[in-house]
Formats: sequence, C-alpha cells, structure tokens
Amino acid sequence: GAGVSQSPSNKVTEKGKDVELRCDPISGHTALYWYRQRLGQGLEFLIYFQGNSAPDKSGLPSDRFSAERTGESVSTLTIQRTQQEDSAVYLCASSLQPTSYEQYFGPGTRLTVT
Amino acid sequence: DQQVKQNSPSLSVQEGRISILNCDYTNSMFDYFLWYKKYPAEGPTFLISISSIKDKNEDGRFTVFLNKSAKHLSLHIVPSQPGDSAVYFCAASAIAGGTSYGKLTFGQGTILTVHP
Repeated sequence: GAGVSQSPSNKVTEKGKDVELRCDPISGHTALYWYRQRLGQGLEFLIYFQGNSAPDKSGLPSDRFSAERTGESVSTLTIQRTQQEDSAVYLCASSLQPTSYEQYFGPGTRLTVT
Repeated sequence: DQQVKQNSPSLSVQEGRISILNCDYTNSMFDYFLWYKKYPAEGPTFLISISSIKDKNEDGRFTVFLNKSAKHLSLHIVPSQPGDSAVYFCAASAIAGGTSYGKLTFGQGTILTVHP
C-alpha cells in the first residue's frame, strides 16, 4: 500500500518568505507527527495530531510555525517569515493508533532558506 | 537538554563482523525504546524495539539490549552486511509515565558503514 508522502521534496526559498509543506499520511492512520532534522542532528519533535483532539504543539520552535490537519488525512506545516535557521529536512510520520510506538515516516521535505 | 544521546557519530566495520551501536538516555520515565534506520533521501524506517520490562529483544540479525540501571541500550547487528550501511537513530518514549501517546525523542544518529 501507499506509504506516507510529502511534498515538495525540495524547497528553496528566500529569507522572509512563507512556505507550506504538505503531508499525506497512510490511510487509516489516526496519529500524525511532524519532525525537523537539522544538519548533523537528530529528529526534533514539532507537533502531533490525533483525530479531533487538540494537537500537541509543544515542539513548535516559534509562533512563525503552525500546522493544520484535516480530519485524519492531509496535514500542512506552514513557516512564516522564514529564517536561515529554519533550513532543515521536515519529516512527517503517521501511526495506526496514538499509542503505537511504530511510526511510519515520509521521505521528508528539504527546506533551504537563502 | 539532550535526553537521548548517541555519542558515536560514525562507525565503520568489516562485512561479516559485528556492529554495535550505542545509545544513552537520561529520562527515567522512558519505558519503550526503538531503533530506526535511515537511508539518504528517505524517511527513517522502524527496525526493532524493546520495552523497559525486557533486557533483550532479537529479530534475525538484529538484537537490542537494554540496561535500565545504566540507562543504556545498544543495537547489535550480526553479521553486518554492506546493505546495513545507513544512519541509525535511537528513540525513546514514555507512554506509561509520561505523555499519552507515542511521542518519540530521538538521538543524533550514528552513521554505520559496512565495508565489503
């Protein structure tokens, strides 16, 4: 079956511009996560969605970052007024249940802010 | 505050030998540990996991060991194959005593290179 997909795969943007990243989770997966991986570092949790519950936004680094999810499907991560330190690979993952430890990751979006 | 640490950024081994990747954690609330493998330009894929009630879990060539008193876990790959060359991430979660869902805290990763 189809895995987690993300678009675009690569995005180069100028400092100060807004960007929107998209994630399509595996069908039927109720939990969705966004992570960020900066060069040479581990994955950094950003936000978690589960059904209609309020998302856990505790990992968002600043108010320039926001995310939405439509029901149990597509999610978008928006970064406003991008800064160079936002350059990273942004990874989306989904899992069948919220308590499932096994998360399935998409290929990521590589964001470069110039 | 790095709660999960992989202190070796890279490891190089010969094909057929054992690869040992190490991971340390500081949060005593973690009760489940996972290893993910990542190839370039791909997302991480789940490899093997272990619950805090166990000290060993084996799956084919992969074995994870957990030493709770030392807050240390390791991944053993025997025998190592060139196709195992990838970045390996250790991750931990705290469902029982922490968050109500599988929020993962990742280490920085270790680049494993297996030479033919």
